[in-house]
Amino acid sequence: GQNIDQPTEMTATEGAIVQINCTYQTSGFNGLFWYQQHAGEAPTFLSYNVLDGLEEKGRFSSFLSRSKGYSYLLLKELQMKDSASYLCAVTSGGYQKVTFGTGTKLQVIP
Amino acid sequence: DGGITQSPKYLFRKEGQNVTLSCEQNLNHDAMYWYRQDPGQGLRLIYYSQIVNDFQKGDIAEGYSVSREKKESFPLTVTSAQKNPTAFYLCASSIQGFEEQYFGPGTRLTVT
Repeated sequence: GQNIDQPTEMTATEGAIVQINCTYQTSGFNGLFWYQQHAGEAPTFLSYNVLDGLEEKGRFSSFLSRSKGYSYLLLKELQMKDSASYLCAVTSGGYQKVTFGTGTKLQVIP
Repeated sequence: DGGITQSPKYLFRKEGQNVTLSCEQNLNHDAMYWYRQDPGQGLRLIYYSQIVNDFQKGDIAEGYSVSREKKESFPLTVTSAQKNPTAFYLCASSIQGFEEQYFGPGTRLTVT
């Protein structure tokens, strides 16, 4: 089976940096996604990591360690609009099955 | 405009009735997915399809059925066998499955 763990909630201050962790256990790992989901809306794509290392995209960066089954999403210069849930998702198997974690609800406060 | 559409946005049904949720995409994507999301929960995979006329059960397929007769369409039927059908249903598509998924706006189903 597959298991994905993320913290349930986090709070951070506007302008600060926050790191959201994701650990996973899966067989046939292909890659790891991060999505952002505002309340009542559909998720939107943030990043996709296949190889180990850090990928930076503007204020958002994502890191992957395949050997440790670990990823994190780093958000810099936090803005109020970053308040949302952040979903970690793993693809695995020959049929590219996608499994989502339960998500981390981030609240950005002034 | 290319995209993925779901209709309707809100749907109400009586217990014991089957209901079909629509999902259409004009992105020419091969892979399509159905997820269910309950309050405060992540997305749980119901069914997915990599190509036309082929689909696979996800983690919570019981009480649901799908078809993939056309590349652009992947309707989901919530049957009366689904014990807790009230939820937010999201459809998604991707080019071949390894890439990012594009999500539709979702259908919020309420069964009373």
